[in-house]
Amino acid sequence: DAGVTQSPTHLIKTRGQQVTLRCSPKSGHDTVSWYQQALGQGPQFIFQYYEEEERQRGNFPDRFSGHQFPNYSSELNVNALLLGDSALYLCASSLVPGGSGNTIYFGEGSWLTVV
Amino acid sequence: LAKTTQPISMDSYEGQEVNITCSHNNIATNDYITWYQQFPSQGPRFIIQGYKTKVTNEVASLFIPADRKSSTLSLPRVSLSDTAVYYCLVGDIRNTGGFKTIFGAGTRLFVKA
Repeated sequence: DAGVTQSPTHLIKTRGQQVTLRCSPKSGHDTVSWYQQALGQGPQFIFQYYEEEERQRGNFPDRFSGHQFPNYSSELNVNALLLGDSALYLCASSLVPGGSGNTIYFGEGSWLTVV
Repeated sequence: LAKTTQPISMDSYEGQEVNITCSHNNIATNDYITWYQQFPSQGPRFIIQGYKTKVTNEVASLFIPADRKSSTLSLPRVSLSDTAVYYCLVGDIRNTGGFKTIFGAGTRLFVKA
C-alpha cells in the first residue's frame, strides 16, 4: 500500500521564480492538504483540495495556489518566490468525510530553498 | 479552534517510559486527539489517535481524562531512535481531513544512552 508520495524531494530556486510541487495521496484517499514547515516550527496549513476544488485555505497569500486532478493527485504552485518561502512543504492525504480510524497521513516533504 | 500546549523539550534515557502531556482546554465535542512523531527532514508520522479514555497500539498509549482537556502520550521503554519532535493535534480530523488542525511547536524528546 503506497503512502503519500511527493516530488521533488529537494530543489533550489531563485527569488522571483515560480515552483511546482507534486503529491500523490495514499491509496484510497481523496483529499489532499498542503502544509508549510519552516525550520524549527510546526507545519502550517496552506489549503485543502477535495473533488478537484480548493475547500479550505489557511493564512497564505494568493501567490500560493494549487490543483487537484481526477486521480486525486495534487500540485502546489508558488509564484514570485520570496526568501521567506524557503521551507519544507508537506502534503497530507485523508478520506473525507471520515469514519472510524480516519486520520491524515503525511508525505516526506519537498525541501524548497529560495536564494 | 482548539489550541494545544506541550512542553518544549524533554530528556530521557534508554529503556525508560516517557509521558508527554498536552493541554487543550478548548477542545470541542467533535475533536479527536492525534499524536504525530517527526524526525528531522521527514514528514510527520501518525502515532496514535483517541477521543476519550485510553487507547493503546503497538507503539504507544494515549490517556485522555473524562473532561478531555488534556491528554498524555506514553512511550514505553524508549530507545535512541525515539529522539524526535512529538506533536499533539486536536481537531475534527475524521470529518474535515485536517484543515482545522493546528500544529504547535511540538515537544522535542531527547533520548540518551
